[in-house]
Amino acid sequence: DSGVTQTPKHLITATGQRVTLRCSPRSGDLSVYWYQQSLDQGLQFLIQYYNGEERAKGNILERFSAQQFPDLHSELNLSSLELGDSALYFCASSVGDRGTDTQYFGPGTRLTVL
Amino acid sequence: GNSVTQMEGPVTLSEEAFLTINCTYTATGYPSLFWYVQYPGEGLQLLLKATKADDKGSNKGFEATYRKETTSFHLEKGSVQVSDSAVYFCALSDPGTGNQFYFGTGTSLTVIP
Repeated sequence: DSGVTQTPKHLITATGQRVTLRCSPRSGDLSVYWYQQSLDQGLQFLIQYYNGEERAKGNILERFSAQQFPDLHSELNLSSLELGDSALYFCASSVGDRGTDTQYFGPGTRLTVL
Repeated sequence: GNSVTQMEGPVTLSEEAFLTINCTYTATGYPSLFWYVQYPGEGLQLLLKATKADDKGSNKGFEATYRKETTSFHLEKGSVQVSDSAVYFCALSDPGTGNQFYFGTGTSLTVIP
């Protein structure tokens, strides 16, 4: 158990809908990262927050957005969903935002868009 | 830019065989290098890491050495067990890009008794 929690575990929805994925980092960790894992794209970095502020952006679509709240939990919002958005979405956390910091991963949310 | 190239899988080995999974990287700065393991139905777990050249990371019998001259971080284990069956990901983080991780495509390992 990494100490990172993600809810829900599974999500099934229809095209055009909007969903929210939630992540609680390990106690004491200030950074939260979101990743998308799909069969064709592999593991792709989406976005990082550090202590409530956006720190780095990766391959995140404009239909997707995220935020980190004062209690440090984070939410990833996916809107106007398409079939291709079906994937595993992982959240990870780390103590800081240095390149040497280990990232601890949650169990993931499996999103299925029908 | 930053990228990680990993040995294509899947890899199938007999128990007690020697394992090598190749990983090479391209980085603009001085990255840290990581190996993560993903067991079926689970998230990624850190296996080992190295933060500077010539460092050796080790854990659970696995080892990898950060080789700057060959830009490599190959994963090795002397004697694999059935319980090592999983997908292994090589990754780098570049301090110049806010600790963003770049992952390889993953290598699936199956160990048969």
